[in-house]
Amino acid sequence: NAGVMQNPRHLVRRRGQEARLRCSPMKGHSHVYWYRQLPEEGLKFMVYLQKENIIDESGMPKERFSAEFPKEGPSILRIQQVVRGDSAAYFCASSPDRDSLADTQYFGPGTRLTVL
Amino acid sequence: DAKTTQPPSMDCAEGRAANLPCNHSTISGNEYVYWYRQIHSQGPQYIIHGLKNNETNEMASLIITEDRKSSTLILPHATLRDTAVYYCIVRPYSGSARQLTFGSGTQLTVLP
Repeated sequence: NAGVMQNPRHLVRRRGQEARLRCSPMKGHSHVYWYRQLPEEGLKFMVYLQKENIIDESGMPKERFSAEFPKEGPSILRIQQVVRGDSAAYFCASSPDRDSLADTQYFGPGTRLTVL
Repeated sequence: DAKTTQPPSMDCAEGRAANLPCNHSTISGNEYVYWYRQIHSQGPQYIIHGLKNNETNEMASLIITEDRKSSTLILPHATLRDTAVYYCIVRPYSGSARQLTFGSGTQLTVLP
């Protein structure tokens, strides 16, 4: 059973460009979470999605960031007009069932974004 | 804000048991205790979780005090590959706030 997959693993963008980060959840998982880890800092929650729905985006910056989880295909975290402060590791996690008593999240390897 | 308190760092000799403490004195009745670890800059790895009973799996044991205000993660025979930052997290099992709130964790260093 393949784990959570993220690509690309490393992404380099120049200031002002767009970054698209993809996350494929584990098989059978319908819930996706995105977290960001800035250099020398802890992981911070960004957004929680189900298929075609954003459930909680309380951790998302108000501008330039968006996320989606379409009916078909991976979840996408999109950062428009990137700035150097967006340089970070972005981790995706998935879980099987929101209503489960053991809704454990499993993480992917992350995407390291570097903004030049 | 993290609802847990952990020591910033600990050392453990290879082959010995590593006991990592965590205080969560404000834990609510519907909150689980989860443990994750992050090896270097890899994605966090799930270790174990529990509600009020002690739990054991192939990786570790989790001991939760009767009042649930603290817990201990036990790695029975630590190896060099267990060197990582260990995070203790409390999280409700129902409701809309499903995200994990990571604190600073404990940097465990396993020494040869």
